[in-house]
Amino acid sequence: GESVGLHLPTLSVQEGDNSIINCAYSNSASDYFIWYKQESGKGPQFIIDIRSNMDKRQGQRVTVLLNKTVKHLSLQIAATQPGDSAVYFCAERVGGGSYIPTFGRGTSLIVHP
Amino acid sequence: DVKVTQSSRYLVKRTGEKVFLECVQDMDHENMFWYRQDPGLGLRLIYFSYDVKMKEKGDIPEGYSVSREKKERFSLILESASTNQTSMYLCASSTRTGGNNEKLFFGSGTQLSVL
Repeated sequence: GESVGLHLPTLSVQEGDNSIINCAYSNSASDYFIWYKQESGKGPQFIIDIRSNMDKRQGQRVTVLLNKTVKHLSLQIAATQPGDSAVYFCAERVGGGSYIPTFGRGTSLIVHP
Repeated sequence: DVKVTQSSRYLVKRTGEKVFLECVQDMDHENMFWYRQDPGLGLRLIYFSYDVKMKEKGDIPEGYSVSREKKERFSLILESASTNQTSMYLCASSTRTGGNNEKLFFGSGTQLSVL
């Protein structure tokens, strides 16, 4: 699990701002990436995923960007709301038939009203 | 609505006790996982199972065993609990659909305290 890491352990933003959570990975064989959100007292929940043949994928208020050249993944949250406060994990999965993701250590997002 | 259910939200046990953590999923998923989550260390894989009666060690299997007698149920066993096993335990499941769409569905976790 050490190949997936985070640039910032805690991110504080104001309500309404855009948030960017970063993730670095080191395994160039990883072909699938997922972002999870974990609210206090709950298990992680899937937010969005992206395959290695894509650079960008958009969901509702969230966008994931993948830069394979520098092995970097980011999660962008538009118009951040207090309900977005949580710990966010990125996970990578190495290709070749594996179905076991490796998780990063997580970033805590704090949204101030 | 898909669901992964862990039998206990909080559990307090004594050193040396045998502890069972139960997990049930209702999605007919082939894969099931047990993770432990500790502050600053993220999620670490203990064991996983890709089919009934099949199990594979994860990154930190020492001190743990698992059982999967039925497809929907995956049990984590601490044969002799120790204080360093105090942690949040998360169960997850996923399907093997092929391709890259095997995201995990997690339970709410069991916070185990070993005294």
